[in-house]
Amino acid sequence: DQQVKQNSPSLSVQEGRISILNCDYTNSMFDYFLWYKKYPAEGPTFLISISSIKDKNEDGRFTVFLNKSAKHLSLHIVPSQPGDSAVYFCAAREGAGNQFYFGTGTSLTVIP
Amino acid sequence: DVKVTQSSRYLVKRTGEKVFLECVQDMDHENMFWYRQDPGLGLRLIYFSYDVKMKEKGDIPEGYSVSREKKERFSLILESASTNQTSMYLCASSLWSKHEQYFGPGTRLTVT
Repeated sequence: DQQVKQNSPSLSVQEGRISILNCDYTNSMFDYFLWYKKYPAEGPTFLISISSIKDKNEDGRFTVFLNKSAKHLSLHIVPSQPGDSAVYFCAAREGAGNQFYFGTGTSLTVIP
Repeated sequence: DVKVTQSSRYLVKRTGEKVFLECVQDMDHENMFWYRQDPGLGLRLIYFSYDVKMKEKGDIPEGYSVSREKKERFSLILESASTNQTSMYLCASSLWSKHEQYFGPGTRLTVT
């Protein structure tokens, strides 16, 4: 059963506007979360992460929010740029292990 | 820059063949991972290794084995390829102390 879910397979946003990508998880033992970005014909690249002891982490145009009570995290991209068009995966880790569980991905298209 | 390379970008094999997928990283990372990516299922962990000759099963190890004889190299073996192993295979590596994984470009395997 999928422990990390991205319920929106795709999202289209106008250039300059905010992109909000969502991720839900079921395992309350997850303590670290990451977002990856994937272009076609390339492997995923790390984007931003957040520990469960925080509720927000910001890096330039990218901000990740964590709502532990709702078991929900989101990635905000402001302002969105055409180069942000890619598939975004969220991933979660349980405890001190090395295994991360990935969501199914959301394909973001930023329209110029 | 961390570089993770995979031996082939595209591979076509016949049912029943033994298949080797090779992955090499050049940054002295302790951890190495093999995932497969399928539409609607995201990235699923097959096996990972946290040291030479050490391996741990992921979520879907059936039909696969791995080998890590040197720190920089992690091989995925399909003992007898089947059509349901047609997929994109992604290798990744990470430092023991870090969460983010660095991915290779992937191998698109087709089993006919």
